[in-house]
Amino acid sequence: EIVLTQSPGTLSLSPGERATLSCRASQSVSSNFLAWYRQKSGQAPRLLIYGTSNRATGIPDRFTGSGSGTDFTLTITRLEPEDFAVYYCQHYGGSPLFTFGPGTKVDIK
Amino acid sequence: EVQLVESGGAVVQPGGSLRISCVDSKLTFRAYHMNWVRQAPGKGLEWIAYIGGGTTTIYYADSVKGRFTISRDNDKKSLYLQMNSLRAEDTAVYYCAQIGQPYALDVWGQGTTVTVSS
Repeated sequence: EIVLTQSPGTLSLSPGERATLSCRASQSVSSNFLAWYRQKSGQAPRLLIYGTSNRATGIPDRFTGSGSGTDFTLTITRLEPEDFAVYYCQHYGGSPLFTFGPGTKVDIK
Repeated sequence: EVQLVESGGAVVQPGGSLRISCVDSKLTFRAYHMNWVRQAPGKGLEWIAYIGGGTTTIYYADSVKGRFTISRDNDKKSLYLQMNSLRAEDTAVYYCAQIGQPYALDVWGQGTTVTVSS
């Protein structure tokens, strides 16, 4: 079973700043199978990035995904008010079919 | 606009049963592989069940295997989750979600809340 670890647990930043979120897998995974989601308070998650670096439909270019092997990164270049939320990385494949990381909360400093 | 709408959440006693539903507005519902993902209060996301478009391929998380059953009716564009032998730890918001982009969940419903409590 793949275990995903996210760091930091909480990131305190100001609007306009750059956010760098990390996701580490317990073993090497295919870059095709790594995705990122944003979940605003009280809402369902929304897909941001799939296949490590592909932005989902309607996702602005301030969101960038990168990485390979066991280490993956989501970068938000300039935080907008709607970006203060919880972010989850996700792996597809194996058992369980989908595995989520514990999340990184980005809050306002 | 693609939309998934869940319903059927309720307060249920431990050991009880409940069926929740998810209706899709798309004509092409049958082409999509569907999932249930849950989120306990204040916790992260947990995938619990998958069903292929043709209904023959089904997977479950160990936490619900043998107690929950996922199914779909493509003519009604609906997804279901039959939950039996419910436990307090099954208390969560339950989301239906579609695999649209490769290996990712690109459309989610708004969620329905299941509370298991006496």
